Amino acid sequence: DAGVIQSPRHEVTEMGQEVTLRCKPISGHDYLFWYRQTMMRGLELLIYFNNNVPIDDSGMPEDRFSAKMPNASFSTLKIQPSEPRDSAVYFCASSFSVGGGRNEQFFGPGTRLTVL
Amino acid sequence: GDSVTQMEGPVTLSEEAFLTINCTYTATGYPSLFWYVQYPGEGLQLLLKATKADDKGSNKGFEATYRKETTSFHLEKGSVQVSDSAVYFCACNNAGGTSYGKLTFGQGTILTVHP
Repeated sequence: DAGVIQSPRHEVTEMGQEVTLRCKPISGHDYLFWYRQTMMRGLELLIYFNNNVPIDDSGMPEDRFSAKMPNASFSTLKIQPSEPRDSAVYFCASSFSVGGGRNEQFFGPGTRLTVL
Repeated sequence: GDSVTQMEGPVTLSEEAFLTINCTYTATGYPSLFWYVQYPGEGLQLLLKATKADDKGSNKGFEATYRKETTSFHLEKGSVQVSDSAVYFCACNNAGGTSYGKLTFGQGTILTVHP
């Protein structure tokens, strides 16, 4: 398997623009997670899905952020409008629930977002 | 809710030194425990895991033992290499209740190994 795939790997945009980050989880995995990593706040869970349904979005910082999972093989995280404080590395991860929820998460390589 | 506390970093060692990174957790039920490693510019990779008390996870010379009595999962390596320089994250996955499937991470410990 190719692992979790994220695109783009790097994104530079200007304040106020819409940004869309994309993720393809590992085939067969039924959980998908979006994280944000910064030096100041470390690794933060933004939202996660089970079987394409959002389970917990309490980590989404504000209404400018939204996430969707239209099918089992694709998810997006959108920021509209973007602000400089959104600059971070965004990771997508997926996992498989068989085993009683004890399975590890597999992370993608991340998208480094810079908002000017 | 669940929480994970890691040893404060950064940690700087000479090559071939012994490594310990402390990790303690607070969780209800019987969580699984994990160590992840993040090399510069990359995503997190699973290093090792343990799913029940007294289990020992091991990989690439690293070891950690699930100690339920002390709620700990300390990471150890007998002889570190320069290539071990990375950020290490301890995490727990509590399969019960509303947090099913969700990992709780520690803050990460930066390890630098000098030749």
